[in-house]
Amino acid sequence: QSALTQPASVSGSPGQSITISCTGTSSDVGGYNYVSWYQQHPGKAPKLMIYEVSNRPSGVSNRFSGSKSGNTASLTISGLQAEDEADYYCSSYTSSSPWVFGGGTKLTVL
Amino acid sequence: EVQLVESGGGLVKPGGSLRLSCAASGFTFSSYSMNWVRQAPGKGLEWVSSISSSSSYIYYADSVKGRFTISRDNAKNSLYLQMNSLRAEDTAVYYCARGDTPNADYWGQGTLVTVSS
Repeated sequence: QSALTQPASVSGSPGQSITISCTGTSSDVGGYNYVSWYQQHPGKAPKLMIYEVSNRPSGVSNRFSGSKSGNTASLTISGLQAEDEADYYCSSYTSSSPWVFGGGTKLTVL
Repeated sequence: EVQLVESGGGLVKPGGSLRLSCAASGFTFSSYSMNWVRQAPGKGLEWVSSISSSSSYIYYADSVKGRFTISRDNAKNSLYLQMNSLRAEDTAVYYCARGDTPNADYWGQGTLVTVSS
């Protein structure tokens, strides 16, 4: 049950776009269209931002989008806003476990 | 409004036991799979256990298998996590979360479990 690989940190200026990658294997990210992304502000519970690779739950801004190519999934945030500063976690269904998370990426809005 | 409220956390000695509860409201609890996810201080999210709506399917992370037991009482709209043989590395905030993995659309606020002598 190894964690998916995410960059430790990314940063961007307000209005810019950033992309967070999430690399797994053919046994998780690459093998299933069950990749989700969570946003977590300090001291708060995680919030589902993207499910099944590219779907947004009701109420999530369309500035958030997800995609996948091979064993790597990506979360793109366009039109960065100060409130987007948070930790972001990817997760996936896997062949050996129902759920595995990435190590998390800290997004800093400069 | 969907609400998940965890309780039962606290300080426990290594080797001890604790039972976490998650009270659900605002939705038909018996229709949803439920999960426990934990987060050690300053660390990332770690999936712990999942249970299907009727308790037919139960899964555990290798790190807790044989020590933790997930259960639910649909009549009481409640989810539980019985934690035995606790270790220092089990210290974390434990969240209950609704939904089929890996898509948990609602999360509780978490309850802190500290394992220390």
